Amino acid sequence: EIVLTQSPDTLSLSPGNRATLSCRASESISSTYLAWYQQKHGQAPRLLIFGASTRATGIPDRFTGSGSGTDFTLTINRLEPEDFAVYYCQWYGGSTEYTFGQGTKLQI
Amino acid sequence: QVQLQESGPGLVKPSQTLSLTCSVVGASISTRGDYWTWVRQHPGKGLEWIGNIYHTGTTYYNPSLESRITISVDTSRNHFSLKLDSVTAADTAIYYCARVRFHFSGQLVPLFDYWGQGALVTVSS
Repeated sequence: EIVLTQSPDTLSLSPGNRATLSCRASESISSTYLAWYQQKHGQAPRLLIFGASTRATGIPDRFTGSGSGTDFTLTINRLEPEDFAVYYCQWYGGSTEYTFGQGTKLQI
Repeated sequence: QVQLQESGPGLVKPSQTLSLTCSVVGASISTRGDYWTWVRQHPGKGLEWIGNIYHTGTTYYNPSLESRITISVDTSRNHFSLKLDSVTAADTAIYYCARVRFHFSGQLVPLFDYWGQGALVTVSS
């Protein structure tokens, strides 16, 4: 069973800064099946990135995903106030395996 | 505009069955290649995938919950449902329904692209 561990648990930054969020898999995984979701307080998650690096429709280019193997990164450049949220990485391991990381809270 | 809406009791007694329905508007639940899913979030915690269903009725469940869950689909009403048996306080969570669209980019990649707003279900006597 693949476990995704995100770090840090909480990241405190200011608008205009760059945020770097990490997602580490317990063993090497295909980047094809690594996604990132954003969840604002009181809202449902929103798809940001799939295939480790492809932005979903409507996602600004200040969001960048990268990585391979066991280490994946979500970088958010020039933080906007609306970017402060919880971010989850997710891996698809097959028809009965959808695994989420525990989340990173990005706060001001 | 695709919209999903969860509905069902917000309070369930321990040992009883949790039942939720997800109504889909703006998309056909019978669209080829689209799956429909349930995800839950314990209060203040992360996300847990529960299971998927295809319009044909084919289901895929989280092995850790499989013995207690049933997901069904009603294509005539364009909705799908979740039943979770023998609930305990540990099943208290926000339950989300979502669409899983498989995107082809060399391989089929599942995208949870539309979500309902979530339904809080509390298990308590």
